[in-house]
Amino acid sequence: EAGVAQSPRYKIIEKRQSVAFWCNPISGHATLYWYQQILGQGPKLLIQFQNNGVVDDSQLPKDRFSAERLKGVDSTLKIQPAKLEDSAVYLCASSQAGTGGYEQYFGPGTRLTVT
Amino acid sequence: AQSVTQLGSHVSVSEGALVLLRCNYSSSVPPYLFWYVQYPNQGLQLLLKYTSAATLVKGINGFEAEFKKSETSFHLTKPSAHMSDAAEYFCAVSGTGTASKLTFGTGTRLQVML
Repeated sequence: EAGVAQSPRYKIIEKRQSVAFWCNPISGHATLYWYQQILGQGPKLLIQFQNNGVVDDSQLPKDRFSAERLKGVDSTLKIQPAKLEDSAVYLCASSQAGTGGYEQYFGPGTRLTVT
Repeated sequence: AQSVTQLGSHVSVSEGALVLLRCNYSSSVPPYLFWYVQYPNQGLQLLLKYTSAATLVKGINGFEAEFKKSETSFHLTKPSAHMSDAAEYFCAVSGTGTASKLTFGTGTRLQVML
């Protein structure tokens, strides 16, 4: 079974530029999550999708971050414009169901450096 | 709101020694609790989870954790450390129903010495 795929693995941009990350979840997983992991901290949820609908985006900085999950499969997370404090690893995870207790499977992450 | 606290950002043990990583949780409802491991430049991998069945949970790679409601704890243990156990360990809590997001602790880096 293929795992969660993410690309790119690394990205370096200057502040005020835009960037996009892509995630392909495990086949058949209805729930998709994007987490932000700042160096030295645990991951923090940015947004949760159930199929192609948003369940929780309360921690997403909506003035600069956007995310979509068209057709309920792949997802894209965009930052525009980027700030220095956006430097972090962006992790995508998927789960069979969106209820608590189900294992979330994580991708390798995209390491973003904003200079 | 749910939260977890991991005591000790760095833990160092000798190979063959007991591993003990501490996690305390705060939750207004019976929680689901998880331990994940993260190796350098990789995503997180589930070690074990507690979902209100047995209080002693066994996971992969010889790790286990015990849910203690009276102490609001979910400490991770392994009887004998191996060099390959060196990694970052995260405790996490999630709610029930659609409140399934994971809330993570700040992590504990485990170092294993020869």
